[in-house]
Amino acid sequence: LAKTTQPISMDSYEGQEVNITCSHNNIATNDYITWYQQFPSQGPRFIIQGYKTKVTNEVASLFIPADRKSSTLSLPRVSLSDTAVYYCLVAAPLSGGYNKLIFGAGTRLAVHP
Amino acid sequence: GAGVSQSPRYKVTKRGQDVALRCDPISGHVSLYWYRQALGQGPEFLTYFNYEAQQDKSGLPNDRFSAERPEGSISTLTIQRTEQRDSAMYRCASSSSGANVLTFGAGSRLTVL
Repeated sequence: LAKTTQPISMDSYEGQEVNITCSHNNIATNDYITWYQQFPSQGPRFIIQGYKTKVTNEVASLFIPADRKSSTLSLPRVSLSDTAVYYCLVAAPLSGGYNKLIFGAGTRLAVHP
Repeated sequence: GAGVSQSPRYKVTKRGQDVALRCDPISGHVSLYWYRQALGQGPEFLTYFNYEAQQDKSGLPNDRFSAERPEGSISTLTIQRTEQRDSAMYRCASSSSGANVLTFGAGSRLTVL
């Protein structure tokens, strides 16, 4: 399983764009990159997943360079409600199979007024 | 059901007592995970089921911990002879086969006095 490294914490202000980078130097060919968001007192929530290049949904964008050794979660124009812990996971989805999905410590994002 | 349901939400017990935590996954989700989360840390993998088969229990801390999913739906995590160090939030998650997208329940907070 590829190990991930991400900053422990980040601070931002309302209205700014926030980019959280995750390093996964040992990513395997079949691995996908998945990001989760966890608010205080709640379980983690899936926000975005990608394999290469760029993925965008209504919540965030995920940028993955060609070598796939890192990825960047981009949150446009954050608000106070985006204050949360963000986790980066790397694993290969297996049809009918199993993934031991390992969460690290995550990045604690604090958005200030 | 519409989401992953866990019960009880809160459990306070005395050291040495046994506890059983229940997880009712999303209908049709074949994969079920148990995690444990200490305050300020990421979820720690405990065990995984594919249908009724427990395919990985490598994260269970010791033999006081066990889990079952006899009919491939509801799962029970049992902790025998609880100790204070077992105090944590226990989270269950389910997913469709072949995806890294987990849906977490609200968790069961266990406090061992």
